[in-house]
Amino acid sequence: EDQVTQSPEALRLQEGESSSLNCSYTVSGLRGLFWYRQDPGKGPEFLFTLYSAGEEKEKERLKATLTKKESFLHITAPKPEDSATYLCAVQTTGSGGSNYKLTFGKGTLLTVNP
Amino acid sequence: DTAVSQTPKYLVTQMGNDKSIKCEQNLGHDTMYWYKQDSKKFLKIMFSYNNKELIINETVPNRFSPKSPDKAHLNLHINSLELGDSAVYFCASSNVGGTEAFFGQGTRLTVV
Repeated sequence: EDQVTQSPEALRLQEGESSSLNCSYTVSGLRGLFWYRQDPGKGPEFLFTLYSAGEEKEKERLKATLTKKESFLHITAPKPEDSATYLCAVQTTGSGGSNYKLTFGKGTLLTVNP
Repeated sequence: DTAVSQTPKYLVTQMGNDKSIKCEQNLGHDTMYWYKQDSKKFLKIMFSYNNKELIINETVPNRFSPKSPDKAHLNLHINSLELGDSAVYFCASSNVGGTEAFFGQGTRLTVV
Protein backbone atom coordinates (compact mmCIF):
# COMPACT_ATOMS: atom_id res chain seq x y z
CA GLU A 1 0.00 0.00 0.00
CA ASP A 2 1.20 3.49 -0.84
CA GLN A 3 2.43 5.45 2.16
CA VAL A 4 3.31 9.09 2.63
CA THR A 5 4.91 10.32 5.86
CA GLN A 6 5.50 13.98 6.62
CA SER A 7 7.76 15.40 9.28
CA PRO A 8 7.75 17.24 11.52
CA GLU A 9 4.04 17.32 12.41
CA ALA A 10 4.42 20.92 13.54
CA LEU A 11 7.15 23.51 13.13
CA ARG A 12 7.50 26.93 14.67
CA LEU A 13 9.91 29.40 13.08
CA GLN A 14 10.84 32.99 13.66
CA GLU A 15 10.41 35.31 10.72
CA GLY A 16 13.47 34.98 8.52
CA GLU A 17 14.53 31.61 9.97
CA SER A 18 14.89 29.20 7.04
CA SER A 19 14.01 25.52 7.38
CA SER A 20 12.81 22.43 5.51
CA LEU A 21 9.79 20.14 5.63
CA ASN A 22 10.17 16.48 4.76
CA CYS A 23 7.91 14.11 2.85
CA SER A 24 9.01 10.49 2.56
CA TYR A 25 7.08 8.04 0.43
CA THR A 26 6.80 4.35 -0.29
CA VAL A 27 4.96 3.62 -3.52
CA SER A 28 4.97 0.95 -6.19
CA GLY A 29 5.59 3.44 -8.97
CA LEU A 30 5.66 7.22 -8.61
CA ARG A 31 3.86 9.23 -11.26
CA GLY A 32 4.10 12.55 -9.48
CA LEU A 33 4.60 14.16 -6.09
CA PHE A 34 2.52 17.18 -5.19
CA TRP A 35 2.84 19.90 -2.56
CA TYR A 36 -0.22 21.78 -1.37
CA ARG A 37 -0.77 24.57 1.13
CA GLN A 38 -3.90 24.57 3.29
CA ASP A 39 -5.06 27.57 5.30
CA PRO A 40 -7.60 27.09 8.13
CA GLY A 41 -11.14 26.69 6.84
CA LYS A 42 -10.04 26.47 3.21
CA GLY A 43 -9.31 23.82 0.64
CA PRO A 44 -5.78 22.77 -0.28
CA GLU A 45 -4.06 25.13 -2.71
CA PHE A 46 -1.74 23.63 -5.29
CA LEU A 47 1.94 24.62 -5.06
CA PHE A 48 4.18 22.22 -7.04
CA THR A 49 4.33 18.98 -8.94
CA LEU A 50 7.59 17.01 -9.17
CA TYR A 51 7.89 14.04 -11.51
CA SER A 52 11.43 12.69 -11.36
CA ALA A 53 14.36 12.44 -8.95
CA GLY A 54 16.58 15.48 -9.13
CA GLU A 55 13.79 17.81 -10.17
CA GLU A 56 13.44 21.13 -8.36
CA LYS A 57 10.76 23.82 -8.49
CA GLU A 58 10.63 27.26 -6.90
CA LYS A 59 7.96 29.77 -6.07
CA GLU A 60 8.80 32.88 -4.10
CA ARG A 61 10.29 31.69 -0.78
CA LEU A 62 9.50 28.02 -1.41
CA LYS A 63 11.60 25.43 -3.19
CA ALA A 64 10.61 21.79 -3.60
CA THR A 65 13.07 19.00 -4.37
CA LEU A 66 12.62 15.30 -5.07
CA THR A 67 14.73 12.17 -4.59
CA LYS A 68 13.76 8.54 -5.12
CA LYS A 69 12.55 8.25 -1.54
CA GLU A 70 11.59 11.70 -0.34
CA SER A 71 10.82 15.30 -1.11
CA PHE A 72 11.78 18.44 0.74
CA LEU A 73 9.99 21.76 0.85
CA HIS A 74 12.58 24.39 1.69
CA ILE A 75 11.33 27.68 3.08
CA THR A 76 13.79 30.55 2.83
CA ALA A 77 13.40 33.59 5.08
CA PRO A 78 9.76 32.81 5.88
CA LYS A 79 7.19 35.47 6.69
CA PRO A 80 4.13 35.19 8.98
CA GLU A 81 1.90 34.86 5.91
CA ASP A 82 3.65 31.56 5.12
CA SER A 83 1.96 30.07 8.18
CA ALA A 84 -0.27 27.20 7.01
CA THR A 85 -0.44 23.42 6.84
CA TYR A 86 1.70 22.03 4.04
CA LEU A 87 0.49 18.79 2.54
CA CYS A 88 2.44 16.33 0.43
CA ALA A 89 0.67 13.88 -1.86
CA VAL A 90 1.71 11.18 -4.31
CA GLN A 91 0.12 9.92 -7.46
CA THR A 92 1.14 6.49 -8.66
CA THR A 93 1.30 4.58 -11.91
CA GLY A 94 -0.54 1.33 -12.30
CA SER A 95 -4.01 0.10 -13.04
CA GLY A 96 -7.36 0.49 -11.37
CA GLY A 97 -7.48 4.20 -11.66
CA SER A 98 -4.52 4.72 -9.36
CA ASN A 99 -3.40 7.63 -11.48
CA TYR A 100 -6.68 9.35 -10.69
CA LYS A 101 -6.10 9.80 -6.99
CA LEU A 102 -3.77 11.57 -4.63
CA THR A 103 -2.55 9.83 -1.48
CA PHE A 104 -1.85 12.51 1.10
CA GLY A 105 0.44 12.69 4.10
CA LYS A 106 -0.89 14.11 7.35
CA GLY A 107 0.72 17.47 6.78
CA THR A 108 3.10 19.79 8.60
CA LEU A 109 1.60 22.73 10.47
CA LEU A 110 3.99 25.64 9.99
CA THR A 111 3.78 28.69 12.23
CA VAL A 112 5.99 31.68 11.49
CA ASN A 113 6.19 34.21 14.30
CA PRO A 114 6.91 37.89 13.58
CA ASP B 1 -14.80 33.50 -10.57
CA THR B 2 -14.70 30.48 -8.29
CA ALA B 3 -13.02 27.52 -9.99
CA VAL B 4 -14.45 24.73 -7.81
CA SER B 5 -17.46 25.63 -5.74
CA GLN B 6 -19.30 23.54 -3.17
CA THR B 7 -22.59 24.12 -1.42
CA PRO B 8 -23.35 24.29 1.38
CA LYS B 9 -20.23 25.38 3.26
CA TYR B 10 -21.66 24.23 6.58
CA LEU B 11 -24.19 21.46 7.20
CA VAL B 12 -25.51 20.47 10.62
CA THR B 13 -27.97 17.60 10.71
CA GLN B 14 -29.32 14.85 12.91
CA MET B 15 -28.37 11.21 12.83
CA GLY B 16 -30.43 9.20 10.39
CA ASN B 17 -31.10 12.08 8.01
CA ASP B 18 -30.24 12.10 4.31
CA LYS B 19 -28.26 15.04 2.91
CA SER B 20 -26.57 16.16 -0.31
CA ILE B 21 -23.54 18.27 -1.09
CA LYS B 22 -23.22 19.86 -4.51
CA CYS B 23 -20.04 20.62 -6.45
CA GLU B 24 -19.45 22.49 -9.67
CA GLN B 25 -16.25 23.33 -11.53
CA ASN B 26 -15.77 25.86 -14.30
CA LEU B 27 -12.24 24.84 -15.26
CA GLY B 28 -13.23 22.55 -18.12
CA HIS B 29 -11.68 19.57 -16.34
CA ASP B 30 -12.72 16.01 -17.16
CA THR B 31 -12.04 14.50 -13.74
CA MET B 32 -13.72 15.27 -10.43
CA TYR B 33 -13.17 13.92 -6.94
CA TRP B 34 -14.58 13.77 -3.45
CA TYR B 35 -12.13 13.75 -0.55
CA LYS B 36 -12.84 13.47 3.18
CA GLN B 37 -10.77 15.28 5.80
CA ASP B 38 -11.23 13.90 9.30
CA SER B 39 -10.80 15.59 12.64
CA LYS B 40 -7.06 14.93 12.52
CA LYS B 41 -6.88 16.80 9.22
CA PHE B 42 -6.06 13.62 7.27
CA LEU B 43 -7.27 13.97 3.68
CA LYS B 44 -8.40 10.78 1.97
CA ILE B 45 -9.99 10.14 -1.41
CA MET B 46 -13.52 8.75 -1.55
CA PHE B 47 -14.50 8.84 -5.23
CA SER B 48 -13.16 9.85 -8.61
CA TYR B 49 -15.18 10.42 -11.76
CA ASN B 50 -13.77 10.87 -15.24
CA ASN B 51 -16.19 12.29 -17.79
CA LYS B 52 -19.18 11.12 -15.71
CA GLU B 53 -17.77 7.61 -15.30
CA LEU B 54 -16.87 6.27 -11.84
CA ILE B 55 -13.15 5.48 -11.74
CA ILE B 56 -12.38 5.14 -8.04
CA ASN B 57 -14.55 4.04 -5.13
CA GLU B 58 -12.29 3.75 -2.10
CA THR B 59 -14.19 1.34 0.17
CA VAL B 60 -16.68 3.99 1.14
CA PRO B 61 -19.94 2.77 2.79
CA ASN B 62 -22.73 2.44 0.26
CA ARG B 63 -24.65 5.08 2.21
CA PHE B 64 -22.50 7.48 0.20
CA SER B 65 -23.57 7.81 -3.42
CA PRO B 66 -21.91 10.20 -5.87
CA LYS B 67 -23.80 11.44 -8.90
CA SER B 68 -22.30 13.17 -11.92
CA PRO B 69 -25.01 14.65 -14.17
CA ASP B 70 -22.34 16.15 -16.44
CA LYS B 71 -18.59 16.52 -16.32
CA ALA B 72 -18.80 19.92 -14.60
CA HIS B 73 -20.84 18.64 -11.65
CA LEU B 74 -20.28 15.97 -9.03
CA ASN B 75 -22.75 15.74 -6.16
CA LEU B 76 -22.49 13.61 -3.04
CA HIS B 77 -25.58 12.14 -1.43
CA ILE B 78 -25.36 10.59 2.01
CA ASN B 79 -28.12 8.39 3.43
CA SER B 80 -28.78 7.56 7.07
CA LEU B 81 -26.12 9.88 8.43
CA GLU B 82 -24.03 8.63 11.36
CA LEU B 83 -21.98 10.52 13.96
CA GLY B 84 -18.78 9.20 12.35
CA ASP B 85 -19.65 10.94 9.09
CA SER B 86 -18.82 14.29 10.67
CA ALA B 87 -15.88 15.68 8.73
CA VAL B 88 -14.97 18.22 6.08
CA TYR B 89 -15.74 17.03 2.56
CA PHE B 90 -13.77 18.49 -0.34
CA CYS B 91 -14.60 18.41 -3.99
CA ALA B 92 -11.75 18.71 -6.48
CA SER B 93 -11.16 18.60 -10.21
CA SER B 94 -8.23 18.02 -12.55
CA ASN B 95 -7.41 17.34 -16.16
CA VAL B 96 -7.50 13.76 -17.43
CA GLY B 97 -4.68 11.76 -15.91
CA GLY B 98 -4.94 13.66 -12.69
CA THR B 99 -2.37 16.38 -12.94
CA GLU B 100 -2.64 19.09 -10.30
CA ALA B 101 -6.04 18.96 -8.65
CA PHE B 102 -7.92 22.11 -7.68
CA PHE B 103 -9.98 21.93 -4.51
CA GLY B 104 -13.18 23.60 -3.40
CA GLN B 105 -13.46 25.38 -0.06
CA GLY B 106 -14.95 22.35 1.66
CA THR B 107 -18.24 21.46 3.32
CA ARG B 108 -18.10 20.99 7.08
CA LEU B 109 -20.64 18.31 7.95
CA THR B 110 -21.63 17.92 11.58
CA VAL B 111 -23.92 15.07 12.55
CA VAL B 112 -25.58 15.44 15.97
